[in-house]
Amino acid sequence: DIVMTQSPDSLAVSLGERATISCKSSQSVLYSSNNKDYLAWYQQKPGQPPKLLIYWASTRESGVPDRFSGSGSGTDFTLTISSLQAEDVAVYYCHQYYNNPAFGQGTRLEIK
Amino acid sequence: EVQLVESGGGLVQPGGSLRLSCAASGFTISTYWMHWVRQVPGEGPVWVSRINSDGSSTKYADSVKGRFTISRDNAKNTLYLQMNSLRAEDTAVYYCARGQGGYSDSWYDYWGQGSRVTVSS
Repeated sequence: DIVMTQSPDSLAVSLGERATISCKSSQSVLYSSNNKDYLAWYQQKPGQPPKLLIYWASTRESGVPDRFSGSGSGTDFTLTISSLQAEDVAVYYCHQYYNNPAFGQGTRLEIK
Repeated sequence: EVQLVESGGGLVQPGGSLRLSCAASGFTISTYWMHWVRQVPGEGPVWVSRINSDGSSTKYADSVKGRFTISRDNAKNTLYLQMNSLRAEDTAVYYCARGQGGYSDSWYDYWGQGSRVTVSS
């Protein structure tokens, strides 16, 4: 099974600054036949279900602010929040849907 | 507005059974793959099971295979998870989620609010 590992486990960033979260998969989630990376990102706030932010590694879900962006391919991926807002405080998860879906352990994002 | 509402969770003794339901509104589940995902508070989500649009294809995580059964009633627009032989390690919040993109495995664009299952004597 593919194992997803996020880093760091927690992160404190000042308001208006950039936040960067890494996600590594134990094997490639790039499907060669369509050249798509089977990787999504979610945001979860306390007491709420995860909310989809990004799919296909870099496609932003409708309604998600453009300060959220995803990048990477193969086994290494990054979620970037370009200018941190107070409402972005949450736990963020990556999710591979290439085979036997799996999530990362999460990265807790706080305000410095 | 798309909504998924889970019900049926609760406290059950080890070895017992529960049936979770997920009532969908705002869309027709018959055109989507549907999934169950569980999450222990403080940990990452874990995929449990999926079912295709007409119920003819299902898949389970190894940890629940042979004990859990996913099903759907498209006429009632409802997804189910029958959980038997429950163990302490099945304790979690269970979410139903809608798969997007028409793929068996895909991202989940809508999630329910979750149903808490506690397995304890």
